[in-house]
Amino acid sequence: GESVGLHLPTLSVQEGDNSIINCAYSNSASDYFIWYKQESGKGPQFIIDIRSNMDKRQGQRVTVLLNKTVKHLSLQIAATQPGDSAVYFCARLNSGYALNFGKGTSLLVTP
Amino acid sequence: GAGVSQTPSNKVTEKGKYVELRCDPISGHTALYWYRQSLGQGPEFLIYFQGTGAADDSGLPNDRFFAVRPEGSVSTLKIQRTERGDSAVYLCASSIDRPNTGELFFGEGSRLTVL
Repeated sequence: GESVGLHLPTLSVQEGDNSIINCAYSNSASDYFIWYKQESGKGPQFIIDIRSNMDKRQGQRVTVLLNKTVKHLSLQIAATQPGDSAVYFCARLNSGYALNFGKGTSLLVTP
Repeated sequence: GAGVSQTPSNKVTEKGKYVELRCDPISGHTALYWYRQSLGQGPEFLIYFQGTGAADDSGLPNDRFFAVRPEGSVSTLKIQRTERGDSAVYLCASSIDRPNTGELFFGEGSRLTVL
């Protein structure tokens, strides 16, 4: 069945370095992927999305890459800042409205 | 505030009790969602409202769970005969319409603890 999963549960990076968070999916029934950020005690916050007709999409300090051949998605954060410390989820949109979230990667930014 | 508001932020109850969790979405958002997040996991879809009607309640785990949105704005998630396994953070989200972008606006959640 469909699933969205993550390669690593935790990631520690130094402030100013670039961060890469990876995500794998099991099939391509849905054509729409989204990244969310969740800070402690808060609800998830939308970061960026990408559709399967795209390979790359850029936002402010973030880039999402989609490799449909190997069913892999990544979120790149440039010049990581302490405020980027959070749990990051990749999600797939099913049926046009239901988000199927992965387990999440905890990003810790150290000074 | 302008965001999604959820009350209570924390609820501790005893096994077997009835619980109501409230969600006040962003004004003008017609779509409303409930998700449940267990510790260390991603949120899981429970139910989706478009206006007053539940368009998809397939994520509700069993018939002890029920949600309403009588006037198309505020929604209440109701849990009967609570069990310890119901302990989780219940997240509410809203969006302008059936999302084309996957951008949902989440509240901070209601943390439910069943003793």
